[in-house]
Amino acid sequence: SQTIHQWPATLVQPVGSPLSLECTVEGTSNPNLYWYRQAAGRGLQLLFYSVGIGQISSEVPQNLSASRPQDRQFILSSKKLLLSDSGFYLCAWSGGGEVGGYTFGSGTRLTVV
Amino acid sequence: KQEVTQIPAALSVPEGENLVLNCSFTDSAIYNLQWFRQDPGKGLTSLLLIQSSQREQTSGRLNASLDKSSGRSTLYIAASQPGDSATYLCAPGDYGGATNKLIFGTGTLLAVQP
Repeated sequence: SQTIHQWPATLVQPVGSPLSLECTVEGTSNPNLYWYRQAAGRGLQLLFYSVGIGQISSEVPQNLSASRPQDRQFILSSKKLLLSDSGFYLCAWSGGGEVGGYTFGSGTRLTVV
Repeated sequence: KQEVTQIPAALSVPEGENLVLNCSFTDSAIYNLQWFRQDPGKGLTSLLLIQSSQREQTSGRLNASLDKSSGRSTLYIAASQPGDSATYLCAPGDYGGATNKLIFGTGTLLAVQP
């Protein structure tokens, strides 16, 4: 069966520090991968998605970037964190097409101090 | 741009009640629609996925309907239990040409009182 792993679960980082969040999927090949952010009191916002290795689409301009170095690995990064980057970050995958329901990871709570 | 509204924003009911959560979306050209629940501080758990060609899906005490032309979906929960307490999120899927992108509403916070 397919599983999605996301780590770390919690992270506290100072302003200006770098960020790297990792997400991996098991039990499937060529998944569509997504990064969402949920800010306090707000809905989930799609940040990036990827349909293949090295293919990244950005949905909103921001301080973050994403990379997909391997088929089932999706990384969210920042060179210098801002206070406004605080939030709950969720990775998800889908198989695409008519069976393209999303499965989410357990999330990373990022607090920038 | 797809916009999703969920009504009510919060709901408190006694255990055993049947209830309906509403979701409306502005762009009816969707690929599918998915309902999730989110427990505090946790990720999202998928409840039901309705393809654009379907009218409803059922899983246990849950039933979701989709009226794509009017931009509406409802989630019906039968015989509610305290364990159903969570935030419920509706997400229509916009087909952006390369992949199915889910657009989320802000959710309905449900509290089921024992």
